[in-house]
Amino acid sequence: GENVEQHPSTLSVQEGDSAVIKCTYSDSASNYFPWYKQELGKGPQLIIDIRSNVGEKKDQRIAVTLNKTAKHFSLHITETQPEDSAVYFCAATIRPANNLFFGTGTRLTVIP
Amino acid sequence: ETGVTQTPRHLVMGMTNKKSLKCEQHLGHNAMYWYKQSAKKPLELMFVYSLEERVENNSVPSRFSPECPNSSHLFLHLHTLQPEDSALYLCASSHDPLTDTQYFGPGTRLTVL
Repeated sequence: GENVEQHPSTLSVQEGDSAVIKCTYSDSASNYFPWYKQELGKGPQLIIDIRSNVGEKKDQRIAVTLNKTAKHFSLHITETQPEDSAVYFCAATIRPANNLFFGTGTRLTVIP
Repeated sequence: ETGVTQTPRHLVMGMTNKKSLKCEQHLGHNAMYWYKQSAKKPLELMFVYSLEERVENNSVPSRFSPECPNSSHLFLHLHTLQPEDSALYLCASSHDPLTDTQYFGPGTRLTVL
């Protein structure tokens, strides 16, 4: 089955700086890559996703890039704010199917 | 709020107890999921229900028994658990079981003594 690796496991940045989280996947057939944010005491919430026919997607301060050849995808957060502090998870799956394979998470801390 | 609620939020049980976790979605979705979240491990999909029928069971031990009486409610019945079953159990739902975004509840923090 699919294996998703995520780095780093923890990340601290100063407020206003950028944060980058990277994931690799093993199954070249994977075609859907969502990113989830999990705040303390809450379940994961989808923040952005990308499909394999797209190389980059942006939503305000958040962007995701996908390199199908290298089988890796990244989350970029610009102008970080304290409320961005949370655990971020990447995932991959082969649509149509909804068996998401998750990375181990990155704990992001934005220092005011 | 995501529209997915879970009760209880915290549960402590002994290995010989029987308890149930409850999930309710208010989104009109057709698919519901149970995940296990352990420290430093990826979220693990346990069960998938589509229109109240189980469509996937990822080799979960029989001490975990799911029940989906209707498309809005999902239960996870627990019996004779082990300490290593201590984790955060997350429920999720989606409109379409194959293609739609999954919306997660806040989870039940389970501790098995």
